[in-house]
Formats: sequence, structure tokens, C-alpha cells
Amino acid sequence: KNQVEQSPQSLIILEGKNCTLQCNYTVSPFSNLRWYKQDTGRGPVSLTIMTFSENTKSNGRYTATLDADTKQSSLHITASQLSDSASYICVMRGAGSYQLTFGKGTKLSVIP
Amino acid sequence: DTGVSQDPRHKITKRGQNVTFRCDPISEHNRLYWYRQTLGQGPEFLTYFQNEAQLEKSRLLSDRFSAERPKGSFSTLEIQRTEQGDSAMYLCASSLDGGSYEQYFGPGTRLTVT
Repeated sequence: KNQVEQSPQSLIILEGKNCTLQCNYTVSPFSNLRWYKQDTGRGPVSLTIMTFSENTKSNGRYTATLDADTKQSSLHITASQLSDSASYICVMRGAGSYQLTFGKGTKLSVIP
Repeated sequence: DTGVSQDPRHKITKRGQNVTFRCDPISEHNRLYWYRQTLGQGPEFLTYFQNEAQLEKSRLLSDRFSAERPKGSFSTLEIQRTEQGDSAMYLCASSLDGGSYEQYFGPGTRLTVT
């Protein structure tokens, strides 16, 4: 059973537009939640990492939010660029564990 | 380049053959992880080393799989008697000691078993 569910599976947006990706999780308790960007054929690259006590974390045009009550996180991308086209993966680390649980990712395509 | 490196980047092999992949972590990182990623899925944990000790293996790591990190630096992942179901991207990551530290991923080795 996958304890990290992401939506939508895929998304197409126009360059310059904003978008929000969703992550619902059941991993509990958890130590931190991460968002990774993965270009096709490459390894994931970290965008943000939040502990359970943080509500928001920004990295340039990327802003992640965390609601521990509803067990939801979102990744908001502002003023999208063609280079934002990639898969975005939500990742949880359980408390007291070194293992990461990955979502299946949202495939984002930014078109001109 | 001081990131995580993996070799080879791509490997095509025939079913039944053995393959070995190499991962060189970031030099000061004492933790090293192996993951497998199939198309359309997120990475799945395979195994984890702290220095040269292999501390955990996933149930995904069948008897045909073996990983080593003999000197606590680079690591190898060997798959014996490959099967078509082994076709996947094999990712290596490294981190400093402590669960809050970021895992840095390598570019992966794409394995195709024909």
C-alpha cells in the first residue's frame, strides 16, 4: 500500500502560468516531508524539505505547504517556465526511520 | 563535479546474464542508499549502508541481488541471472549521518533486460 498519494498524475500548463500539485499521505508519525523534481532519465533533485512543525517552505518560484491536521502537502509553482517540465515527487520520512516513502509523482508539462 | 556519480548510465543485457553497477557517493557522506524506479513509479528503497555496514535490505532485494560497500566509499550493486522484470532505473543516493540530512541522488543506471 502506497502511503503517499499524489494528484494529478499529469498536468499540462502554459508557460507563465501558476500551478499547484497535491500530496496526501498516511505516513505517521513522520520526521520530514520533501518535494523532489526529477527530469526524465535523471535522478531526483531536492526542492524543499519541511519538518512536521513547519507549514510552508519556499525555494525561488517553488512554495511547499504542509497541513499536518489534514495530512496534505502542496507544491505551488509560480510563473512556470519550460524548464519546469519534469516529474514532481512527494517524499516522506517516517519518524525514527531512515527510509523514504515516495509518491508516484506528478508529471508536469509546460508548453509555450 | 562533487555530486553522486553512477556507472554505467545505461546497460542492456540479455536475460540470464549478470550485471554490476557502481555508485560513487559524495566523499564526506557516510550513508549510501540504493533505490529502484520503474516507469511511472516513484523510487523504491532497496538497501542502505552506513559506512561499510549494510544495515537494511528491502524485501524487493531478492537472492539474486547483492550490494557491497567494502571500504565505506563506493558501492556496487550486482544482479545475477537477470530477468525482464529487473528492467528499471537503479538510483543511488548518499547523505551525511542523521535522518534529517538531505539525500543526494545520482543520475541513475538504466537497465534493460532483453
